[in-house]
Amino acid sequence: QQPVQSPQAVILREGEDAVINCSSSKALYSVHWYRQKHGEAPVFLMILLKGGEQKGHEKISASFNEKKQQSSLYLTASQLSYSGTYFCGTEKVDRGSTLGRLYFGRGTQLTVWP
Amino acid sequence: AAGVIQSPRHLIKEKRETATLKCYPIPRHDTVYWYQQGPGQDPQFLISFYEKMQSDKGSIPDRFSAQQFSDYHSELNMSSLELGDSALYFCASRIRRRRTDTQYFGPGTRLTVL
Repeated sequence: QQPVQSPQAVILREGEDAVINCSSSKALYSVHWYRQKHGEAPVFLMILLKGGEQKGHEKISASFNEKKQQSSLYLTASQLSYSGTYFCGTEKVDRGSTLGRLYFGRGTQLTVWP
Repeated sequence: AAGVIQSPRHLIKEKRETATLKCYPIPRHDTVYWYQQGPGQDPQFLISFYEKMQSDKGSIPDRFSAQQFSDYHSELNMSSLELGDSALYFCASRIRRRRTDTQYFGPGTRLTVL
């Protein structure tokens, strides 16, 4: 049930780009991306629904390939504030409906250095 | 904008004691989710409520119980606490019929069991 996230960790210099991947073996209704700083609550970044859409938010964007049950988060021109752990949360289809619970990947720890 | 409120923010208990965590969802949100996050781990779904009824159940120990009240706030009751229960407990809320919207997380309650 738990999606697989990769890579486990990324170290970047300011201004560099990164891609974080999330894949599931189950049919997905949606993928939710969050960023979490140590000891704080996960902060919502974006949601992607089945339909294979791509969304953007400033320099952070994401895509969802429904056929492959994969989503990718793209971070461009990274800033120091991007540091944190990124989680994908997947909402799966079960018997034609979803119950809303999210299955989280193990997270990707992103560190941005000046 | 109003956010999810959780109380207390920090709680220290001894083994075998009980604890009660409270969650106040965003106004007009009808669904509440509880997650447990151990150190260095991803959030794990415990239980959810929709319109004051339990809607889904995850890996919640039998020692834990929860309910949602008429004002939509929810409480997670934990008894016979064990050292392994030490974790961050998050509550998240959502408007169920808004399938394009995500779950919004509260700041969490850090439970330490000594």
